[in-house]
Amino acid sequence: NAGVTQTPKFRVLKTGQSMTLLCAQDMNHEYMYWYRQDPGMGLRLIHYSVGEGTTAKGEVPDGYNVSRLKKQNFLLGLESAAPSQTSVYFCASSGGRRTTEAFFGQGTRLTVV
Amino acid sequence: RKEVEQDPGPFNVPEGATVAFNCTYSNSASQSFFWYRQDCRKEPKLLMSVYSSGNEDGRFTAQLNRASQYISLLIRDSKLSDSATYLCVGGGADGLTFGKGTHLIIQP
Repeated sequence: NAGVTQTPKFRVLKTGQSMTLLCAQDMNHEYMYWYRQDPGMGLRLIHYSVGEGTTAKGEVPDGYNVSRLKKQNFLLGLESAAPSQTSVYFCASSGGRRTTEAFFGQGTRLTVV
Repeated sequence: RKEVEQDPGPFNVPEGATVAFNCTYSNSASQSFFWYRQDCRKEPKLLMSVYSSGNEDGRFTAQLNRASQYISLLIRDSKLSDSATYLCVGGGADGLTFGKGTHLIIQP
């Protein structure tokens, strides 16, 4: 069972470069989330989506854009990477807004130099 | 977004001891609660859901106090393998809100 799959798993970018992180889920979940996790900071929500074609800002949205053109995919874009965006990025999905657990991808370790 | 607050620890606990964590949430509209476990450099995984009546899963017991807006996790007879970060999570209309986690270290 695939669950939630993130690509790539590792990436090194130069400052100013752009990239897109892909999250794909095969559980027909409505909700999808992008988090970043830094040492001592816990999971911080970047953007989330409550359904196909919808997105919303989370706690730390600046410098990121997202799209949810298909229900199963949630893309996170960095238009001009900065060293402050060095982090571990986790995607998650959940079936509904109230009582269902979230399933996480294995994470993307991004380094911006 | 509403907050979920946890003591970050670390909690250093001898093997075999009982340890308890609390977390508080500020959104009274939160409808569901969970405890997640995260191992170093791994993704978070669901440990257990939290029900108003309290629930137990082996050595783990979770409690929810809606009046005081806190959730607790009790681990009995702790094992070395329980060493991890434990995340408190509240669910509501705009999805899930994670606490920053409590770091637990079980010492031999």
